Amino acid sequence: KQEVTQIPAALSVPEGENLVLNCSFTDSAIYNLQWFRQDPGKGLTSLLLIQSSQREQTSGRLNASLDKSSGRSTLYIAASQPGDSATYLCAVRPMEYGNKLVFGAGTILRVKS
Amino acid sequence: ETGVTQSPTHLIKTRGQQVTLRCSSQSGHNTVSWYQQALGQGPQFIFQYYREEENGRGNFPPRFSGLQFPNYSSELNVNALELDDSALYLCASSAGQGSGYGYTFGSGTRLTVV
Repeated sequence: KQEVTQIPAALSVPEGENLVLNCSFTDSAIYNLQWFRQDPGKGLTSLLLIQSSQREQTSGRLNASLDKSSGRSTLYIAASQPGDSATYLCAVRPMEYGNKLVFGAGTILRVKS
Repeated sequence: ETGVTQSPTHLIKTRGQQVTLRCSSQSGHNTVSWYQQALGQGPQFIFQYYREEENGRGNFPPRFSGLQFPNYSSELNVNALELDDSALYLCASSAGQGSGYGYTFGSGTRLTVV
């Protein structure tokens, strides 16, 4: 059974810092991994989608890496801003049951001005 | 290009009642999934619909049921509501069944059961 863990559960940093969010998964047989952002009480906004054959994806100040063999992904946020404050969720799409996403519990990020 | 839209945004129901939540998929998307997100947790997969047929189901009881219509919009129905059904219900759509596709999520429906 695929399980996804995100560390840390919460993070508070001053504005301008570079930061790394971690995601690990137990079964490396995945089609892809997707990072999402969720503002309080709102839906999910897709940030980056990494296919299993890829090592990383970049969008603006965001960079996500994938090491499928070790079951890990990181989301790097450069020069953090207060507007980055949100919950960040990672989700994998398992090959065993490819119709669903399996989510971690998320990392709650607060960027202080 | 419109995204995924869900209605209503908020809903309060009494234990034992039935509820219907609605979702319009993003233009060009033929696959719709539903997720339940309890407070402080990640979303949990309920089921997926593709071409009007259920195409995968998570660990949810039969009182959770759904439909997909020819225009790819979808409904989630929950019968005999329980207090634990209180959650954010998220709809997600995808352009296909292939492994390369990602998912686009709606803003969710907040269901409170009292």
